[in-house]
Amino acid sequence: GAGVSQTPSNKVTEKGKYVELRCDPISGHTALYWYRQSLGQGPEFLIYFQGTGAADDSGLPNDRFFAVRPEGSVSTLKIQRTERGDSAVYLCASSLKAGRNTGELFFGEGSRLTVL
Amino acid sequence: QQQVKQSPQSLIVQKGGISIINCAYENTAFDYFPWYQQFPGKGPALLIAIRPDVSEKKEGRFTISFNKSAKQFSLHIMDSQPGDSATYFCAAFGRGSARQLTFGSGTQLTVLP
Repeated sequence: GAGVSQTPSNKVTEKGKYVELRCDPISGHTALYWYRQSLGQGPEFLIYFQGTGAADDSGLPNDRFFAVRPEGSVSTLKIQRTERGDSAVYLCASSLKAGRNTGELFFGEGSRLTVL
Repeated sequence: QQQVKQSPQSLIVQKGGISIINCAYENTAFDYFPWYQQFPGKGPALLIAIRPDVSEKKEGRFTISFNKSAKQFSLHIMDSQPGDSATYFCAAFGRGSARQLTFGSGTQLTVLP
C-alpha cells in the first residue's frame, strides 16, 4: 500500500484483557514510531524503532506496554491487562531514513482502543 | 512535562481571514519544527516545516515564522478557507536522544463560510 496501514481501526475490549495493534509502515521506511492520542490532545510519544531494535522506548507508560518489530517492517504494539485509562487512539508513523531522519513522519489513521 | 506549548486551544475565523497559531518550545536540542494538520478520524499529516537557520518559510497560503532567540514559532494561514477547518499541531524534532517528534496540544480551527 501507499501509506501506513494500521489494524484494527477499532478495538473494544474489557478491562484486564490483552490486545495487539498492528502497524504496516511505508515500504522502505526504516524508522517506525508509536504514538498515543487522547481526545483533544496532541499525540504522545511511546516508542521508536530503527530497523528491528527499539531505539527509544522512554514513552511507554509502564511494563504493560510492549512493542516489537521482528523483521524491521511490521510492528505490533501489545498491551497486557488493559485498563480504562488505556482508551485512546494509537497512531503509528514511519519515516524514510533513521540515520538522516528529518523528522517528517507519515502517520496511519490510527487504531481506536476502547477499554470497557 | 510539556516541552512544546501551543495556543490558542481553539480558533474561529471568517472565510478569507488570517489564522494565526503560536507555539513555544523549551528544549534547545530541537532542530526541526513541523506543523501537522489532522482531520477527524485521520492521522496527522505534515503541512509545512522549518529549520532554525531560517526565520520564515512560505508554502502557498501557509507561512511559518520562527524566532530562535525567543524559542517561538507560529503558523499563519492566509485567506483561510472552510476546507482548512481541522486541528493543527506544532511539533519539534531533536538531535541526539531527542530524536522523536514532540507535539503541542493542538488548535482546533474552524473557518466559517
